[in-house]
Amino acid sequence: EPEVTQTPSHQVTQMGQEVILRCVPISNHLYFYWYRQILGQKVEFLVSFYNNEISEKSEIFDDQFSVERPDGSNFTLKIRSTKLEDSAMYFCASSPGASGGLLNQQFFGPGTRLTVL
Amino acid sequence: TQLLEQSPQFLSIQEGENLTVYCNSSSVFSSLQWYRQEPGEGPVLLVTVVTGGEVKKLKRLTFQFGDARKDSSLHITAAQPGDTGLYLCAGFLSSGSARQLTFGSGTQLTVLP
Repeated sequence: EPEVTQTPSHQVTQMGQEVILRCVPISNHLYFYWYRQILGQKVEFLVSFYNNEISEKSEIFDDQFSVERPDGSNFTLKIRSTKLEDSAMYFCASSPGASGGLLNQQFFGPGTRLTVL
Repeated sequence: TQLLEQSPQFLSIQEGENLTVYCNSSSVFSSLQWYRQEPGEGPVLLVTVVTGGEVKKLKRLTFQFGDARKDSSLHITAAQPGDTGLYLCAGFLSSGSARQLTFGSGTQLTVLP
């Protein structure tokens, strides 16, 4: 069964460094997402991406964050200058569509645990 | 303000017992999804409910969407230790985006052998 994959599974970085988290969405899906989950807290929406551009973003997704689909399969989240509070699990997700009903179903990857020291 | 409240937060039961987990809101959702999450892993989609009053069954799991699409429940029959995990409900607000999932805080289920 097709699934979303993410690399690396764990990333440790120093505060102020740039990190790139990578995702391969399900191949026939058109919408891609990033969410994060700080330890012990709810899963929070960061950004949605469609047709090579951001369709929505949350307040969390500030200028330090960017997303890109550099080729036909990868979807990346870049954090330019990491802060301690960026430490979290970052989940990539994808969906076939976003027009409603079952097309909106979002399938999540296993996550990347980001630790900022 | 908690848009999606799940209860109970923690539930520990014996193998073979039945249980129900609730997901409630004062807001209307266009659809609602139930996920199960293991420690250190991503949420795994169990089911999506779309129509008010809809009931879906997945083996021993029964999911129901409230008539007004403001609440949902997950009922597990004859729970097994393999059902242990964090159960999350998440939905798309009718008044909001069809792309941005709003998550509940989850119910941590432990089924003891």
